[in-house]
Amino acid sequence: NAGVTQTPKFRVLKTGQSMTLLCAQDMNHEYMYWYRQDPGMGLRLIHYSVGEGTTAKGEVPDGYNVSRLKKQNFLLGLESAAPSQTSVYFCATRQGQNTEAFFGQGTRLTVV
Amino acid sequence: GENVEQHPSTLSVQEGDSAVIKCTYSDSASNYFPWYKQELGKRPQLIIDIRSNVGEKKDQRIAVTLNKTAKHFSLHITETQPEDSAVYFCAASLLWGNQFYFGTGTSLTVIP
Repeated sequence: NAGVTQTPKFRVLKTGQSMTLLCAQDMNHEYMYWYRQDPGMGLRLIHYSVGEGTTAKGEVPDGYNVSRLKKQNFLLGLESAAPSQTSVYFCATRQGQNTEAFFGQGTRLTVV
Repeated sequence: GENVEQHPSTLSVQEGDSAVIKCTYSDSASNYFPWYKQELGKRPQLIIDIRSNVGEKKDQRIAVTLNKTAKHFSLHITETQPEDSAVYFCAASLLWGNQFYFGTGTSLTVIP
């Protein structure tokens, strides 16, 4: 039982490159979230999903896209990376509204 | 959407003293208030949560209080220990909301 697993853990990109971050969960949770964490700014929601095949925008969605083709996987894509997207990205899942959220271990992304 | 403010941003206490972190929220429809602890380089993990139908909840050295009228809630850590040193985040979730909103975090240092 791995819980919530993010791939990769670290990545360095050049400006303009694209990449996809994978969040995989074996908890059978409906809700999945992508956050970015920057110093002094807490956790800011990028996109989220309330079930397979659904996605919605969060607070800071620009420059990112997501997909939830399977219930257990939530993908975050950067089509053309920018230095402003340098951050630590966390995936989180929870069973429903007002329940505990479980986080992945984070992905440290640097865009140069 | 909800706006969660958290204070202070940094807090240093002597081992054995108490620590208090305060959060305010803007939307009176919020009804779930979790607190997360994030150790350096690790993922956030839930330490305690409270729902709007109770005013206080305790778990050993940790307690959370909620004042719905004033729209603020606080984390209290008693008899602090060096292992309590971490970043603490509060969050708020709307009654029928799919998102939860985080504060900007408090970096707690417990001085031995």
